[in-house]
Amino acid sequence: AQKVTQAQTEISVVEKEDVTLDCVYETRDTTYYLFWYKQPPSGELVFLIRRNSFDEQNEISGRYSWNFQKSTSSFNFTITASQVVDSAVYFCALSRMDSSYKLIFGSGTRLLVRP
Amino acid sequence: AAGVIQSPRHLIKEKRETATLKCYPIPRHDTVYWYQQGPGQDPQFLISFYEKMQSDKGSIPDRFSAQQFSDYHSELNMSSLELGDSALYFCASSLDPTHEQFFGPGTRLTVL
Repeated sequence: AQKVTQAQTEISVVEKEDVTLDCVYETRDTTYYLFWYKQPPSGELVFLIRRNSFDEQNEISGRYSWNFQKSTSSFNFTITASQVVDSAVYFCALSRMDSSYKLIFGSGTRLLVRP
Repeated sequence: AAGVIQSPRHLIKEKRETATLKCYPIPRHDTVYWYQQGPGQDPQFLISFYEKMQSDKGSIPDRFSAQQFSDYHSELNMSSLELGDSALYFCASSLDPTHEQFFGPGTRLTVL
C-alpha cells in the first residue's frame, strides 16, 4: 500500500526565514512519482513539481528547492527567504506508474508566513 | 494558458437531492481525474478516465457516477445527497496518464 506522511501539521515563520516542509512516503513499487502541490487560501491546487523515482537529483526553482532521498523515502521541500504570499497548505503526493496514476496525498502542512 | 474549467463553482443542495458537476479539461488533455476534499482534509481520489474509458476507481460511493464524453469533458453525477457529501470537488486533467495532473478551481458543494 502507498502512504504519504507529512508530520508537520502547521508551521509559522517570519518573512525572509527559510522553511523546510517534510514528506515521507511508503511504497512497495520500484517506480513511482512524487509531487508537491500548493493550496492557497483561495482553494485551488497549484502544481509545483513532479519527480520520478529514477531521478534523485535535487531541484531548484527560484526560491523553491526539493531534496529527494530514496534511502530515507523522503521528498522534502524548502522555501528560501519566505514571503507572505507563500502562506498556504502544501501537499506532498505519490502516484504509482500504473494504469491511472492517481494521486495519493499526504495530510498537508499549513504554512503561515508572518510579515 | 487555458486551465481546467469546473462548473458550477458553488452548489447548494438539500439532502436526498441530486447534483451534477462538470469538468472541461485543458485542450488536448485526454485524461480526467475527480477528487473529493472534505473540510481540513487532503484530496481523496474518486475516479479517473482515459480516452473516454474509466481507468480507475477509488472511494466513490455507489450513489455517485461519472463519465467522460466524446469531447473529453467529464461529469460527476451525485444522487441521494447526504450531509457528508459536503466538500470541495476537484477535477484534474493531464495530457495522458503519464503526465502531471493540473487541477481546476474546484466545485464547493454544500448539502443542507
